Amino acid sequence: DVKVTQSSRYLVKRTGEKVFLECVQDMDHENMFWYRQDPGLGLRLIYFSYDVKMKEKGDIPEGYSVSREKKERFSLILESASTNQTSMYLCASSFLRDQETQYFGPGTRLLVL
Amino acid sequence: AQSVTQLDSHVSVSEGTPVLLRCNYSSSYSPSLFWYVQHPNKGLQLLLKYTSAATLVKGINGFEAEFKKSETSFHLTKPSAHMSDAAEYFCVVSLGGVNDMRFGAGTRLTVKP
Repeated sequence: DVKVTQSSRYLVKRTGEKVFLECVQDMDHENMFWYRQDPGLGLRLIYFSYDVKMKEKGDIPEGYSVSREKKERFSLILESASTNQTSMYLCASSFLRDQETQYFGPGTRLLVL
Repeated sequence: AQSVTQLDSHVSVSEGTPVLLRCNYSSSYSPSLFWYVQHPNKGLQLLLKYTSAATLVKGINGFEAEFKKSETSFHLTKPSAHMSDAAEYFCVVSLGGVNDMRFGAGTRLTVKP
């Protein structure tokens, strides 16, 4: 079974804090993704990566950055957390040849106070 | 640009009765279409996908969907609901690129005993 794990299920942070969300996949997938899930809005792509050290902006990259130093690991960074970044964050991965079939982690619910 | 509209935010059925989750899409080109399911506290899982082969697509757990170009619809159906089908379902339209995937807002399915 493909496994995508996320470092935390729940996080509570203060405004202005730097926040790291970690994601690890064990299927040797080339692609990795970070999404944000909000009620009534579905999933929106923040960033994705198709190779180590490569990254591409998604639809809503503002206020976020990412890091991919190893193939299996993809980190999402909130440089200075704000209350409007309170959300559910989902990591996913896929093969390059079938990038629309994505495997998702369980999500991290982030609350910024 | 492409977009997807899930016509119901919440659907409630009784166990053993049919399920219908409605999805309409908008796309300038021939899209690929997907249904993903998210069970409580779990990541999204691919249920089925349409990629211009057969218009009736069968997925996991007895679900199927029919691509109707004339109606720009891709409704998800199941003949008989099971309690384990209670989840949130997302319809997704894509033109083939990672940055081209658009998720619907989701439909929460409740199954009553």
